[in-house]
Amino acid sequence: QQQVKQSPQSLIVQKGGISIINCAYENTAFDYFPWYQQFPGKGPALLIAIRPDVSEKKEGRFTISFNKSAKQFSLHIMDSQPGDSATYFCAAIDNNDMRFGAGTRLTVKP
Amino acid sequence: DAMVIQNPRYQVTQFGKPVTLSCSQTLNHNVMYWYQQKSSQAPKLLFHYYDKDFNNEADTPDNFQSRRPNTSFCFLDIRSPGLGDAAMYLCATSRSGGNYGYTFGSGTRLTVV
Repeated sequence: QQQVKQSPQSLIVQKGGISIINCAYENTAFDYFPWYQQFPGKGPALLIAIRPDVSEKKEGRFTISFNKSAKQFSLHIMDSQPGDSATYFCAAIDNNDMRFGAGTRLTVKP
Repeated sequence: DAMVIQNPRYQVTQFGKPVTLSCSQTLNHNVMYWYQQKSSQAPKLLFHYYDKDFNNEADTPDNFQSRRPNTSFCFLDIRSPGLGDAAMYLCATSRSGGNYGYTFGSGTRLTVV
């Protein structure tokens, strides 16, 4: 049973555009929602994270929007750059147990 | 810099020959995890240590074992690697006592020949 559903599977955006990746979860016990960025051949790196008592968190060009009632959250990358091309994983954590979404491969075209 | 270090970065092993992957951390995190990641897939949790307590995922094959001799080190042992075990193996750490993001190492790419 996939506890965190992520879409789209792949995304192509023009340089300067907005990239949007969506995730939905089922387990209401999750209380920490990180996003990871992974480049080929590297381990995932924590990008930004949010707790469910906050509806939005922004760090530079990266914003998480969180809808607790809908059990959905999304990552927005503003002014997308070719260097943002990577695979992005959403995740949800409950009591040190983290579940990943399936991942989104983002390609930002120059 | 505090970090999670995995050695080696690349490991080639023969079919059926035991192999050990290592992970060390300077973060003093009490929880350590091992993940398996195959191409174009999300990392899959194999097991984790909460301090010295070992927690195995229900679907982790018996072929995979782990040791944590102290807070800083954790090992992944694959007793009889098969071709299907070729993957990236990721070590991660976190703090307990609340929910925090995990810190991942750069991974070990295992090839089985």
